[in-house]
Amino acid sequence: EVQLVQSGTEVKKPGESLRISCKVSGTSFTSQWIFWVRQMPGKGLEWMGRIDPSDSKTNYGPSFQGHVSMSADKSISTAYLHWSNLRTSDTAMYYCAAGDDWIGFDIWGQGTVVTVSS
Amino acid sequence: SYELTQPPSVSVSPGQTAKITCSGDALPRQYTYWYQQRPGQAPVLVIYKDTERPSGIPARFSGSSSGTTVTLTISGAQAEDEADYYCQSADSSATIVFGGGTRLTVL
Repeated sequence: EVQLVQSGTEVKKPGESLRISCKVSGTSFTSQWIFWVRQMPGKGLEWMGRIDPSDSKTNYGPSFQGHVSMSADKSISTAYLHWSNLRTSDTAMYYCAAGDDWIGFDIWGQGTVVTVSS
Repeated sequence: SYELTQPPSVSVSPGQTAKITCSGDALPRQYTYWYQQRPGQAPVLVIYKDTERPSGIPARFSGSSSGTTVTLTISGAQAEDEADYYCQSADSSATIVFGGGTRLTVL
């Protein structure tokens, strides 16, 4: 069974950095695309970007380019989403998802809540 | 920027058929995917590549496509189907786009 397990709830201050994780099991990590999706409180789904763990090639959504980065560690089948300068507007639920092509999200993680507040 | 348009809400009585539409200019050229999100839960894929149903998804869920509109149909809706539904596709530059979501009420 393919599973994506995300890291736990984070509470940070504006300007701080953060890395959240998504561990993949039950499938070949390098055969999957890993996607990140934001859901702000009470709002819809927004695509942040994707990474190909086989070569760490990334594509970012226009609204997120330059504000977040994505990485992957093949040795532990884990993908990461990074911020270097958090804003209060980054407060949201963040989901990772995996798929075997570049467009569809076959399976989702449970989500990570990030709260940014002074 | 490219947009996918969904109705904000759809209501259906138990056992009736619910149809949720998603419109976008590029839909004839890219596959559409549908996700169900129950309150407090992560999304779940219910239809992929316009019409395909993943294993474990009930047969009452189906997808269809016609021109610039795709449709998610739930035949014989049940109370457990009450959720938000999102369509998703991509534009010509491979940027992924979600529709705004449709709240399905079964009452």
